Amino acid sequence: NAGVTQTPKFHILKTGQSMTLQCAQDMNHGYLSWYRQDPGMGLRRIHYSVAAGITDKGEVPDGYNVSRSNTEDFPLRLESAAPSQTSVYFCASSPSPEGELFFGEGSRLTVL
Amino acid sequence: QKEVEQNSGPLSVPEGAIASLNCTYSDRGSQSFFWYRQYSGKSPELIMFIYSNGDKEDGRFTAQLNKASQYVSLLIRDSQPSDSATYLCAVLLMDSSYKLIFGSGTRLLVRP
Repeated sequence: NAGVTQTPKFHILKTGQSMTLQCAQDMNHGYLSWYRQDPGMGLRRIHYSVAAGITDKGEVPDGYNVSRSNTEDFPLRLESAAPSQTSVYFCASSPSPEGELFFGEGSRLTVL
Repeated sequence: QKEVEQNSGPLSVPEGAIASLNCTYSDRGSQSFFWYRQYSGKSPELIMFIYSNGDKEDGRFTAQLNKASQYVSLLIRDSQPSDSATYLCAVLLMDSSYKLIFGSGTRLLVRP
């Protein structure tokens, strides 16, 4: 049972480039979310989804887009990367929005 | 004032001692409280959650909640070197966006 799978684990891109971080879960969880983790800042939620076809902004959504066409996948897209988006990104799932979060292994992104 | 505050540490304790980790929060509407453990370079994993005032015990771990004083703590009895990690406090607010606020974490070092 893989749980939450994120790809890629590491990536470097240049300012202005776009990319998509992939997230896939096989636990049939309804709630999916993206967080970024920066030193001294704690985990901060970017976007979330309570079900397929429904997405909402989290607390730090600027510069990111998401979509959710099915239960399993929740990609995070950076349309025009900025150095401020250098961070470690975690995708997390839960059977309910109020419950335990199950995190993927993380994606370390560097924007030069 | 940060919404969830933790001492960054490191908190250093000898093996076999009790480690006490503290967390304060600012929103009196907070309804659920979580402790996650994060090893260096890894993703967070849930240790305990607590909803009601008082103590909740699970093996060597005890979570304590005092809503009047707005603090939650985690006690680790018989600390082991394998407990060395960063402990993240997370607070779920009672609003429609399922806002989960993480503290920046306390680093715990257990000396053999």
